[in-house]
Amino acid sequence: GAGVSQTPSNKVTEKGKYVELRCDPISGHTALYWYRQSLGQGPEFLIYFQGTGAADDSGLPNDRFFAVRPEGSVSTLKIQRTERGDSAVYLCASSRTLVGGELFFGEGSRLTVL
Amino acid sequence: GIQVEQSPPDLILQEGANSTLRCNFSDSVNNLQWFHQNPWGQLINLFYIPSGTKQNGRLSATTVATERYSLLYISSSQTTDSGVYFCAVSSGSARQLTFGSGTQLTVLP
Repeated sequence: GAGVSQTPSNKVTEKGKYVELRCDPISGHTALYWYRQSLGQGPEFLIYFQGTGAADDSGLPNDRFFAVRPEGSVSTLKIQRTERGDSAVYLCASSRTLVGGELFFGEGSRLTVL
Repeated sequence: GIQVEQSPPDLILQEGANSTLRCNFSDSVNNLQWFHQNPWGQLINLFYIPSGTKQNGRLSATTVATERYSLLYISSSQTTDSGVYFCAVSSGSARQLTFGSGTQLTVLP
């Protein structure tokens, strides 16, 4: 697509529920990144993929968070047993190359856990 | 990991004024980008500038990699320039960007 597409744009859920957030990167971009942004702060890295494999998942806060990219294009960020502290904007970005590549961000998915 | 500091944290300008935003980083970088986050939360690419100088209309940026800083210049500011400006870098074997805490710019009419 022309830009990075994220769905849903807004998600409200209850504590303890399971959530999936989807990212469709720019066509031809091999690297895909997930970030999380809390109010008043800069985005924080979660995980990135080169192709289908997670190259670095060191930013995932705990084992309730998991992400996949099974065909090397669309990615899904999965959050189990959501907690109120998971409320944030989840941003996806893609780049053409992994090393020194310019990142382009989607509009984000705003997650609210009640 | 690399540290990124942005200054000033907040800036209020009258429309038409010029401004300079600064980004200091603690290590050599292989990627540096400036973003503008608009009031709707969208991160808009301004410059990809790990070194050198670039200009795009009223905006320009300079990165002095050897001295570990980058500057973003905004001339003749407009109300639509309001928002948060982020500097983000990557260094060494890391491929992800590390963001600074941003500069909140408010341009008054």
